[in-house]
Amino acid sequence: NAGVTQTPKFRILKIGQSMTLQCAQDMNHNYMYWYRQDPGMGLKLIYYSVGAGITDKGEVPNGYNVSRSTTEDFPLRLELAAPSQTSVYFCASSYSGSTWNEQFFGPGTRLTVL
Amino acid sequence: GQQLNQSPQSMFIQEGEDVSMNCTSSSIFNTWLWYKQDPGEGPVLLIALYKAGELTSNGRLTAQFGITRKDSFLNISASIPSDVGIYFCAGFSNAGGTSYGKLTFGQGTILTVHP
Repeated sequence: NAGVTQTPKFRILKIGQSMTLQCAQDMNHNYMYWYRQDPGMGLKLIYYSVGAGITDKGEVPNGYNVSRSTTEDFPLRLELAAPSQTSVYFCASSYSGSTWNEQFFGPGTRLTVL
Repeated sequence: GQQLNQSPQSMFIQEGEDVSMNCTSSSIFNTWLWYKQDPGEGPVLLIALYKAGELTSNGRLTAQFGITRKDSFLNISASIPSDVGIYFCAGFSNAGGTSYGKLTFGQGTILTVHP
């Protein structure tokens, strides 16, 4: 199993540009998550999904959109990039049920908005 | 929102020393987890705790779910250079009807181990 994969690893955007961060998992997990990590801070939940077609907002959803058309994929969309969105973005997945919070993380996407 | 206070923020220790770090909250948590993040990588789960008072080990790592349900501790015995990284606590609380999916993370403890 490849686990959780994320692309790209690095990206530089100009203010106002848009992009999609890709996330895929091959563990047949129902639950998937997007987090952002700022320097010296813990992870903040952006959006999560409990299954295909079901998404919900996390703690910091403004400026982002998600979709979940398949169990495997959970892309994160930035429509109008702003410097405040400079961060490292992590995708994660987990089983549903009692161990849903034992999350498996991808390697991250480091995004810089200039 | 809920917050977890993790301490210390950073630690510089000699190889072979034991390490302790903790995480506290003003509210009750139902689950505590400890993750480790290596440089340039995503966090990896070390230990999950589900019951107040629970003490769980994973090799040289031992974690406890505080009896008040408002704190958790992680101990690393006989540290080695590969223990270097950032350690995060995380918790889940269903207080106020919080839905599944929402973990709260601490700010992290940066561990440096000198050979």
